[in-house]
Amino acid sequence: GAVVSQHPSWVICKSGTSVKIECRSLDFQATTMFWYRQFPKQSLMLMATSNEGSKATYEQGVEKDKFLINHASLTLSTLTVTSAHPEDSSFYICSAIPSGRSLVYNEQFFGPGTRLTVL
Amino acid sequence: DAKTTQPTSMDCAEGRAANLPCNHSTISGNEYVYWYRQIHSQGPQYIIHGLKNNETNEMASLIITEDRKSSTLILPHATLRDTAVYYCIVNSGGSNYKLTFGKGTLLTVNP
Repeated sequence: GAVVSQHPSWVICKSGTSVKIECRSLDFQATTMFWYRQFPKQSLMLMATSNEGSKATYEQGVEKDKFLINHASLTLSTLTVTSAHPEDSSFYICSAIPSGRSLVYNEQFFGPGTRLTVL
Repeated sequence: DAKTTQPTSMDCAEGRAANLPCNHSTISGNEYVYWYRQIHSQGPQYIIHGLKNNETNEMASLIITEDRKSSTLILPHATLRDTAVYYCIVNSGGSNYKLTFGKGTLLTVNP
């Protein structure tokens, strides 16, 4: 149980185009999902917290107009990279916390990641 | 959240126990110690967490010192598939769901 999927697993796009990445919790509902990005040989950096039915909360330095997050259902969050540029090339990873999970139990379930390459 | 310090890399022979240390000397009383790992080009995977007592599950054991300033993750019988970056994270849980990933320890299990 507790599987999180991401689609696509990899994408190559031209500079200036927009790319949408989906994150789905397959066998549980998730009120809260997170989006991270990871540059080569670096650690994961939290970009934003996505809450179902409300606006996402972005970390300092992350442009909310460039990285659009929509969490329209309890099993799906999407990240859209608008007007992508080569410097946006990275590994994007989402995670989810099952709804109703005990608040002291902070196990997050991560998706397999999406590798974005912007030419 | 308290900061953690981990060795950059470690090696372990296949079949042997892997002991990964983590220093978290500024941990506060309500903060848990979490361990995640990330196999190359995959999303992280939860391993174990604890507050002050030692914990064990099917993947690993977590030993937390009495003063809680450090901990050790133990993989009892390391396999090649355990080669990954292991992250030690201190977090108060509750409504603070954010996980701050440091650089972690690259564990290489050798045949």
